[in-house]
Amino acid sequence: GESVGLHLPTLSVQEGDNSIINCAYSNSASDYFIWYKQESGKGPQFIIDIRSNMDKRQGQRVTVLLNKTVKHLSLQIAATQPGDSAVYFCAGFYNQGGKLIFGQGTELSVKP
Amino acid sequence: EPEVTQTPSHQVTQMGQEVILRCVPISNHLYFYWYRQILGQKVEFLVSFYNNEISEKSEIFDDQFSVERPDGSNFTLKIRSTKLEDSAMYFCASSLIRAISGNTIYFGEGSWLTVV
Repeated sequence: GESVGLHLPTLSVQEGDNSIINCAYSNSASDYFIWYKQESGKGPQFIIDIRSNMDKRQGQRVTVLLNKTVKHLSLQIAATQPGDSAVYFCAGFYNQGGKLIFGQGTELSVKP
Repeated sequence: EPEVTQTPSHQVTQMGQEVILRCVPISNHLYFYWYRQILGQKVEFLVSFYNNEISEKSEIFDDQFSVERPDGSNFTLKIRSTKLEDSAMYFCASSLIRAISGNTIYFGEGSWLTVV
């Protein structure tokens, strides 16, 4: 079946350090994988995505790595800032009417 | 920046009552979605809607749920007879085209439903 899941529920890092959030998936049929940031009381906010035929994509301070061999996705945040504190979800996008399958979420806490 | 707006932001309802959650998608968007998030859990797909009909729905979206686009701007989710387990944050989303990546789907801020 389809599922996208996260390794760790919480991650605490020091301001300025790099953060790595991991995600595993079981269904290889996803066209895209996406990372979302969700702040308390708000909707998911798109961070970065990666096509299933790529293995790395970089954005501003963020990098997503995709390892299809082991069905693993990671989000790297460089120089983590207090404003990065939020819950981060990975999601697999299955091109069937816009259906996103979300993972469980990792809460990132940045200590000043 | 255009945004998806949802009302109410929070609603408390008695078990068994009907609830309608409203959404105003981004004006030129054609595809509409509802997702829900039970407290502390992941976001779950409910339904997608295009051209006045449901494109896809999940197992969660049973007969007590319905969606409607009553006019040119609103998109509603109706829960006919609410149960305690329907308590969740409900997110509306929209996209201009059939979404091909998460970047093309815009989420609203959510409507928090509490069933008591």
